[in-house]
Parts: sequence; structure tokens; C-alpha cells
Amino acid sequence: EDKVVQSPLSLVVHEGDTVTLNCSYEVTNFRSLLWYKQEKKAPTFLFMLTSSGIEKKSGRLSSILDKKELFSILNITATQTGDSAIYLCAFYNTDKLIFGTGTRLQVFP
Amino acid sequence: DSGVTQTPKHLITATGQRVTLRCSPRSGDLSVYWYQQSLDQGLQFLIQYYNGEERAKGNILERFSAQQFPDLHSELNLSSLELGDSALYFCASSVQGHDRDQYFGPGTRLTVL
Repeated sequence: EDKVVQSPLSLVVHEGDTVTLNCSYEVTNFRSLLWYKQEKKAPTFLFMLTSSGIEKKSGRLSSILDKKELFSILNITATQTGDSAIYLCAFYNTDKLIFGTGTRLQVFP
Repeated sequence: DSGVTQTPKHLITATGQRVTLRCSPRSGDLSVYWYQQSLDQGLQFLIQYYNGEERAKGNILERFSAQQFPDLHSELNLSSLELGDSALYFCASSVQGHDRDQYFGPGTRLTVL
């Protein structure tokens, strides 16, 4: 059965810390992996990764995919209170986007 | 603002009732996806439509149905509602059918009493 496992489930840090969120997956027909940020509303798109080893970067956020070991990481450097959210990892299996349960990140000043 | 709109924002109804949730995709997007998010199950894919036709099905109950109209808006119909159907229902849209980033609407919170 296809599944996505995210870790840790929850993370509490102070502003300025760097965090690494993990996403591992088992999928029969992998096409691409996506990261979303969900605050108190709808998930917002962060990255889509299709090729192994190529880092995607947006400001303080970056992500990389390892298709051999079946995982992805999302790094956030110099965290800010505005980074507090649930971070969701998902992958496309043919036409279905399958989500993990997310990592809840709380950043305190 | 993602450009995806959903109505209503919040819906409270009783068990056994039927409701319709509405979604308008971003301009130019042909695909619409429906998701259910409950506290204990996370974000679950329900169904996808592409240019009016059903493209993929996920964990959608037989009591639920959806359609996409010629103007590309979509409706999700939930019938014989049960307490466990209480959740956030998101609609998302993308340009094509797959391998594209999906943009989520603000969601409809359904409460079944």
C-alpha cells in the first residue's frame, strides 16, 4: 500500500534555529513529491521535486529528494515565528496526490 | 489567495441530511480535486475531475458524489451524513491532470450534529 511517513510529528524551536523535516515514502508508481505549508487555512504550495539530488530553494527554505533511498527533506534556516505551521509532504501516484500526516512546527521568539 | 474559491465557508447540519459543497477553480485550471481533512486522518484525497470527466478516485464513500460542470466549477455532494463526516473539505485545482502543483481553496468546514 502506498504511504508517506513524516517525522518528527511535532517540533518546537526558538527563532533563529535551523530545522530539518523528513518525509519517507513507499509508492508503486512515483511521479513527483510535493511539499506544502498549512497554517490555519488551506495548504500552500512550497516545492515540487521530481529529480533525485537536485535541491530546490526558496529563501530560507530548501528541499531535496533522494529517489534511491525514498525520502525527502525540507530544511528551514533561521526560523521565524511566521514559519509556525504544519508542513505536509505528498507524492503523486499516477493522478492521485497522497499526503503524509504532517509535521507540526512551532517557532517561539 | 490561491484563486480557488469554495462556498460555503462553514456548514452545520444534522445527521442524515444532504449537503452540497461548491468549488470554482483558478482561471485556466482544468483539473479539480476534492480532499477531506479530519483530525485523526489527515488530508485524504477523495476524487479528481479533469475538464468535466472523472479522472481519479480515492477514498470516497458511496454516500459522496461529485461532478464538474462545463464552466469547470465542481460540486461535492454528501448525503446521509454521519457524525464522522465532520471535517474540512478542500478543493484544489491545477492546470493539467497530474504532476502539477495544486492550489487549494480556503476549505469548507462541515459540522454534523
